[in-house]
Amino acid sequence: EAQVTQNPRYLITVTGKKLTVTCSQNMNHEYMSWYRQDPGLGLRQIYYSMNVEVTDKGDVPEGYKVSRKEKRNFPLILESPSPNQTSLYFCASSLPGVGTDTQYFGPGTRLTVL
Amino acid sequence: GENVEQHPSTLSVQEGDSAVIKCTYSDSASNYFPWYKQELGKRPQLIIDIRSNVGEKKDQRIAVTLNKTAKHFSLHITETQPEDSAVYFCAASISGTASKLTFGTGTRLQVTL
Repeated sequence: EAQVTQNPRYLITVTGKKLTVTCSQNMNHEYMSWYRQDPGLGLRQIYYSMNVEVTDKGDVPEGYKVSRKEKRNFPLILESPSPNQTSLYFCASSLPGVGTDTQYFGPGTRLTVL
Repeated sequence: GENVEQHPSTLSVQEGDSAVIKCTYSDSASNYFPWYKQELGKRPQLIIDIRSNVGEKKDQRIAVTLNKTAKHFSLHITETQPEDSAVYFCAASISGTASKLTFGTGTRLQVTL
Protein backbone atom coordinates (compact mmCIF):
# COMPACT_ATOMS: atom_id res chain seq x y z
CA GLU A 1 0.00 0.00 0.00
CA ALA A 2 1.34 3.41 -1.04
CA GLN A 3 1.73 5.54 2.04
CA VAL A 4 3.61 8.08 4.12
CA THR A 5 4.34 6.97 7.67
CA GLN A 6 5.40 9.02 10.67
CA ASN A 7 6.65 7.99 14.08
CA PRO A 8 5.85 8.57 16.80
CA ARG A 9 2.22 9.58 16.41
CA TYR A 10 2.11 11.19 19.85
CA LEU A 11 4.97 12.55 21.93
CA ILE A 12 5.16 14.44 25.19
CA THR A 13 8.60 15.72 26.08
CA VAL A 14 10.33 18.40 28.14
CA THR A 15 12.09 21.57 27.12
CA GLY A 16 15.60 21.00 25.79
CA LYS A 17 15.43 17.23 25.27
CA LYS A 18 16.45 16.46 21.69
CA LEU A 19 13.95 14.49 19.65
CA THR A 20 13.52 13.12 16.15
CA VAL A 21 10.29 12.50 14.29
CA THR A 22 10.74 10.02 11.47
CA CYS A 23 9.01 10.14 8.10
CA SER A 24 9.12 7.50 5.43
CA GLN A 25 7.39 7.09 2.05
CA ASN A 26 7.24 4.02 -0.18
CA MET A 27 6.16 5.74 -3.40
CA ASN A 28 9.62 6.69 -4.70
CA HIS A 29 8.65 10.36 -4.47
CA GLU A 30 11.34 12.96 -5.03
CA TYR A 31 9.75 15.77 -3.03
CA MET A 32 9.19 15.63 0.71
CA SER A 33 8.11 18.33 3.18
CA TRP A 34 7.43 18.96 6.83
CA TYR A 35 4.56 21.15 8.02
CA ARG A 36 3.25 22.22 11.35
CA GLN A 37 -0.43 22.90 11.95
CA ASP A 38 -1.63 25.28 14.64
CA PRO A 39 -5.18 26.51 15.29
CA GLY A 40 -5.96 29.63 13.31
CA LEU A 41 -2.65 29.52 11.46
CA GLY A 42 -3.28 26.72 9.01
CA LEU A 43 -0.39 24.66 7.70
CA ARG A 44 3.05 26.20 7.64
CA GLN A 45 5.96 24.64 5.84
CA ILE A 46 9.06 24.02 7.96
CA TYR A 47 11.48 22.45 5.47
CA TYR A 48 11.25 20.77 2.12
CA SER A 49 13.48 18.53 0.04
CA MET A 50 13.50 18.14 -3.72
CA ASN A 51 15.90 15.21 -3.76
CA VAL A 52 18.50 13.31 -1.75
CA GLU A 53 20.89 15.74 -0.05
CA VAL A 54 18.84 18.72 -1.30
CA THR A 55 16.90 20.54 1.40
CA ASP A 56 15.64 24.09 1.78
CA LYS A 57 13.89 26.22 4.35
CA GLY A 58 10.17 26.73 4.32
CA ASP A 59 8.38 29.55 6.08
CA VAL A 60 9.09 28.55 9.70
CA PRO A 61 12.45 26.71 9.88
CA GLU A 62 13.77 28.16 13.15
CA GLY A 63 14.43 25.51 15.78
CA TYR A 64 14.25 22.59 13.34
CA LYS A 65 16.69 20.53 11.33
CA VAL A 66 16.16 17.97 8.60
CA SER A 67 18.25 15.57 6.57
CA ARG A 68 17.62 13.61 3.39
CA LYS A 69 20.22 10.88 3.17
CA GLU A 70 17.88 8.42 1.46
CA LYS A 71 15.06 9.09 -0.95
CA ARG A 72 12.42 7.46 1.21
CA ASN A 73 13.26 9.05 4.58
CA PHE A 74 13.04 12.65 5.76
CA PRO A 75 13.44 12.94 9.55
CA LEU A 76 12.63 16.12 11.46
CA ILE A 77 14.99 16.95 14.31
CA LEU A 78 14.34 19.28 17.21
CA GLU A 79 17.71 19.81 18.87
CA SER A 80 16.35 21.75 21.85
CA PRO A 81 12.55 21.72 21.85
CA SER A 82 10.68 24.62 23.41
CA PRO A 83 7.00 24.95 24.39
CA ASN A 84 6.26 27.07 21.30
CA GLN A 85 7.04 23.99 19.20
CA THR A 86 4.02 22.22 20.65
CA SER A 87 2.01 21.49 17.51
CA LEU A 88 0.65 18.91 15.09
CA TYR A 89 3.31 17.96 12.57
CA PHE A 90 2.72 16.49 9.12
CA CYS A 91 5.19 14.98 6.72
CA ALA A 92 4.26 14.89 3.04
CA SER A 93 5.65 13.63 -0.23
CA SER A 94 4.94 14.19 -3.91
CA LEU A 95 6.18 13.34 -7.38
CA PRO A 96 6.27 16.39 -9.63
CA GLY A 97 4.50 16.08 -12.95
CA VAL A 98 2.88 18.03 -15.73
CA GLY A 99 -0.60 17.28 -14.53
CA THR A 100 -1.91 17.13 -11.00
CA ASP A 101 0.88 17.26 -8.43
CA THR A 102 -0.65 15.11 -5.70
CA GLN A 103 1.01 15.61 -2.34
CA TYR A 104 0.37 12.78 0.12
CA PHE A 105 0.39 13.54 3.82
CA GLY A 106 1.38 11.28 6.67
CA PRO A 107 -1.00 10.69 9.59
CA GLY A 108 0.52 13.44 11.74
CA THR A 109 2.55 13.61 14.94
CA ARG A 110 1.11 15.47 17.89
CA LEU A 111 3.98 16.93 19.89
CA THR A 112 3.69 18.50 23.32
CA VAL A 113 6.72 20.23 24.83
CA LEU A 114 6.40 20.95 28.55
CA GLY B 1 7.85 35.65 0.61
CA GLU B 2 4.43 34.54 -0.53
CA ASN B 3 1.38 35.39 1.55
CA VAL B 4 -1.98 33.68 1.07
CA GLU B 5 -5.19 35.02 2.59
CA GLN B 6 -8.29 32.86 2.75
CA HIS B 7 -11.92 33.83 3.37
CA PRO B 8 -14.23 33.14 5.00
CA SER B 9 -12.82 31.38 8.04
CA THR B 10 -16.15 29.61 8.61
CA LEU B 11 -18.98 28.89 6.22
CA SER B 12 -22.30 27.23 6.88
CA VAL B 13 -24.54 26.15 4.01
CA GLN B 14 -27.61 24.00 3.67
CA GLU B 15 -27.35 20.66 1.95
CA GLY B 16 -27.74 21.12 -1.78
CA ASP B 17 -26.56 24.73 -1.80
CA SER B 18 -23.28 25.91 -3.27
CA ALA B 19 -20.21 26.97 -1.30
CA VAL B 20 -17.49 29.34 -2.42
CA ILE B 21 -14.14 29.85 -0.70
CA LYS B 22 -11.80 32.59 -1.86
CA CYS B 23 -8.04 33.05 -1.62
CA THR B 24 -5.71 35.83 -2.61
CA TYR B 25 -1.95 35.57 -3.03
CA SER B 26 0.75 38.20 -3.02
CA ASP B 27 3.51 36.89 -5.29
CA SER B 28 2.67 37.32 -8.98
CA ALA B 29 5.23 34.59 -9.76
CA SER B 30 3.04 31.94 -8.10
CA ASN B 31 1.97 29.40 -10.68
CA TYR B 32 0.51 26.39 -8.87
CA PHE B 33 -2.60 26.49 -6.66
CA PRO B 34 -3.83 23.34 -4.91
CA TRP B 35 -6.80 22.91 -2.58
CA TYR B 36 -6.80 20.46 0.30
CA LYS B 37 -9.62 19.04 2.38
CA GLN B 38 -9.06 18.01 5.98
CA GLU B 39 -11.75 16.11 7.81
CA LEU B 40 -11.78 16.21 11.59
CA GLY B 41 -8.83 14.30 13.02
CA LYS B 42 -7.55 13.30 9.58
CA ARG B 43 -4.69 14.34 7.36
CA PRO B 44 -5.11 16.88 4.53
CA GLN B 45 -5.94 15.46 1.12
CA LEU B 46 -5.63 17.11 -2.25
CA ILE B 47 -9.02 17.62 -3.89
CA ILE B 48 -8.16 19.77 -6.90
CA ASP B 49 -5.37 21.95 -8.22
CA ILE B 50 -4.85 24.47 -10.99
CA ARG B 51 -1.83 25.90 -12.77
CA SER B 52 -1.40 29.47 -13.90
CA ASN B 53 -1.88 28.65 -17.58
CA VAL B 54 -5.47 27.59 -16.91
CA GLY B 55 -8.38 29.80 -15.83
CA GLU B 56 -10.75 27.12 -14.59
CA LYS B 57 -10.73 23.44 -13.74
CA LYS B 58 -13.64 21.24 -12.80
CA ASP B 59 -13.96 17.80 -11.24
CA GLN B 60 -17.53 16.65 -10.72
CA ARG B 61 -19.03 18.90 -8.03
CA ILE B 62 -15.90 20.91 -7.34
CA ALA B 63 -14.28 23.59 -9.47
CA VAL B 64 -11.47 26.06 -9.07
CA THR B 65 -11.15 29.39 -10.85
CA LEU B 66 -8.01 31.50 -11.12
CA ASN B 67 -7.73 35.22 -11.87
CA LYS B 68 -4.04 35.96 -12.33
CA THR B 69 -4.58 39.67 -12.86
CA ALA B 70 -6.32 40.06 -9.53
CA LYS B 71 -4.18 37.39 -7.90
CA HIS B 72 -7.05 35.41 -6.50
CA PHE B 73 -8.45 31.94 -6.88
CA SER B 74 -11.63 30.33 -5.62
CA LEU B 75 -13.02 26.91 -4.79
CA HIS B 76 -16.61 26.23 -5.78
CA ILE B 77 -18.54 23.25 -4.41
CA THR B 78 -21.98 22.65 -5.91
CA GLU B 79 -24.82 20.51 -4.54
CA THR B 80 -23.12 20.29 -1.16
CA GLN B 81 -23.53 17.14 0.91
CA PRO B 82 -22.93 16.47 4.62
CA GLU B 83 -19.69 14.65 3.76
CA ASP B 84 -18.35 17.92 2.35
CA SER B 85 -18.14 19.22 5.93
CA ALA B 86 -14.44 19.72 6.64
CA VAL B 87 -11.71 22.34 6.75
CA TYR B 88 -10.50 23.45 3.32
CA PHE B 89 -7.07 24.95 2.71
CA CYS B 90 -5.86 26.80 -0.35
CA ALA B 91 -2.16 27.08 -1.13
CA ALA B 92 0.15 28.74 -3.62
CA SER B 93 3.58 27.88 -4.98
CA ILE B 94 6.11 29.69 -7.16
CA SER B 95 7.86 26.46 -8.09
CA GLY B 96 5.03 25.04 -10.18
CA THR B 97 4.95 22.02 -7.90
CA ALA B 98 3.92 21.02 -4.40
CA SER B 99 7.52 21.33 -3.22
CA LYS B 100 7.28 24.79 -1.66
CA LEU B 101 3.75 25.69 -0.65
CA THR B 102 2.32 28.59 1.31
CA PHE B 103 -1.09 27.78 2.76
CA GLY B 104 -4.07 29.89 3.66
CA THR B 105 -5.42 29.69 7.19
CA GLY B 106 -8.33 27.44 6.29
CA THR B 107 -12.13 27.57 5.97
CA ARG B 108 -14.32 25.40 8.13
CA LEU B 109 -17.30 24.36 6.00
CA GLN B 110 -20.39 23.05 7.73
CA VAL B 111 -23.12 21.52 5.58
CA THR B 112 -26.38 21.34 7.47
CA LEU B 113 -29.35 19.12 6.70
